[in-house]
Amino acid sequence: GAVVSQHPSWVICKSGTSVKIECRSLDFQATTMFWYRQFPKQSLMLMATSNEGSKATYEQGVEKDKFLINHASLTLSTLTVTSAHPEDSSFYICSANTRTGSNQPQHFGDGTRLSIL
Amino acid sequence: GESVGLHLPTLSVQEGDNSIINCAYSNSASDYFIWYKQESGKGPQFIIDIRSNMDKRQGQRVTVLLNKTVKHLSLQIAATQPGDSAVYFCAEMGGTSYGKLTFGQGTILTVHP
Repeated sequence: GAVVSQHPSWVICKSGTSVKIECRSLDFQATTMFWYRQFPKQSLMLMATSNEGSKATYEQGVEKDKFLINHASLTLSTLTVTSAHPEDSSFYICSANTRTGSNQPQHFGDGTRLSIL
Repeated sequence: GESVGLHLPTLSVQEGDNSIINCAYSNSASDYFIWYKQESGKGPQFIIDIRSNMDKRQGQRVTVLLNKTVKHLSLQIAATQPGDSAVYFCAEMGGTSYGKLTFGQGTILTVHP
């Protein structure tokens, strides 16, 4: 149980294009999902908290107009990297909790590797 | 401040040895801690967790120790196998960051046959 799926797993695109990444909870409903960014040989950095039916909460230093988050249902959150540039190339990972309001492990997707040419 | 990942330390062990991976966490208000395993090109996989009212918890081949006095967490892997080779992250939750995970820097574990 508690499976989180991301799509696509790998995307290569030209500079200036926008890229949408999907995060789905397959066997549970997730009121809250989280988006992380990971550079090679580094740790995961939280970008934003995605809340179903409301605006996402962004961490300090993350541009909300650059990284658009939509959480329109209890099983789907999307991250759109707008006007992507080479410096946006990274590994993007989402996670979700099976329950809200309590400390519990987050379940992670397998990430999306984004390469901007 | 929060734990920020820079370049990852490494640990090399022989197959069959026990491994100990250490983590220093930053927030004294954190009350929940998790160890994750991340294989190349994949997302983190849950290994074991511990709450702040405990100082030890055991799973299958793994043990987590928590020392709140010095804000230190460790993961012990018994009889390490080549399949255990991965990056291991500790993560903390609680205090003002309730519900959000803050990841430690991670350790690259390499198990030699």
